[in-house]
Amino acid sequence: GAVVSQHPSRVICKSGTSVKIECRSLDFQATTMFWYRQFPKQSLMLMATSNEGSKATYEQGVEKDKFLINHASLTLSTLTVTSAHPEDSSFYICSAWQGAPGANVLTFGAGSRLTVL
Amino acid sequence: GNSVTQMEGPVTLSEEAFLTINCTYTATGYPSLFWYVQYPGEGLQLLLKATKADDKGSNKGFEATYRKETTSFHLEKGSVQVSDSAVYFCALKHSSASKIIFGSGTRLSIRP
Repeated sequence: GAVVSQHPSRVICKSGTSVKIECRSLDFQATTMFWYRQFPKQSLMLMATSNEGSKATYEQGVEKDKFLINHASLTLSTLTVTSAHPEDSSFYICSAWQGAPGANVLTFGAGSRLTVL
Repeated sequence: GNSVTQMEGPVTLSEEAFLTINCTYTATGYPSLFWYVQYPGEGLQLLLKATKADDKGSNKGFEATYRKETTSFHLEKGSVQVSDSAVYFCALKHSSASKIIFGSGTRLSIRP
């Protein structure tokens, strides 16, 4: 079945540094990927829609300059948390549709836990 | 706009108990409805789905019926197991959009 891989699964960084998280579709091409942030009480917030070859579409309230998204190929989207601060500590999850959105099955990565000291 | 509301947790049950997790939605037209499950330390997995009214999605003993008249998609299981302990998310996708909208999640804990 379709697999979405995230790397790293865990990362710890110092405040003020930038961290890049990768999301790869391993056995299918994904023109669209989604980045979510999961808060401690488990709610899942959609941050942005990553579009291959074009700019990402950010949800209201998400800072574009803070969370840089690049979708340079059909199998890779990256999320860079710039100048990270402790409040950015969270669980970041990516997902992708296999094939056209009408396939109605969204495959998720296992998530990346970011801890900012 | 489109939204999903699901019962707040945590929900704690004894093994073999009957489970219901309520989910209602607000959407125009005919969205597709989903239940996703997140086991401890893992990413989300699709549990079941329904794409039109009166459809019943089922998997691993779980069921949910798409009720357009009550805009609901409640998750049920007749006899839960300890291994069902996880967080359950109700979600919808509108046919005209590519993104999925999630409910806030319900944490389920099953006691042996």
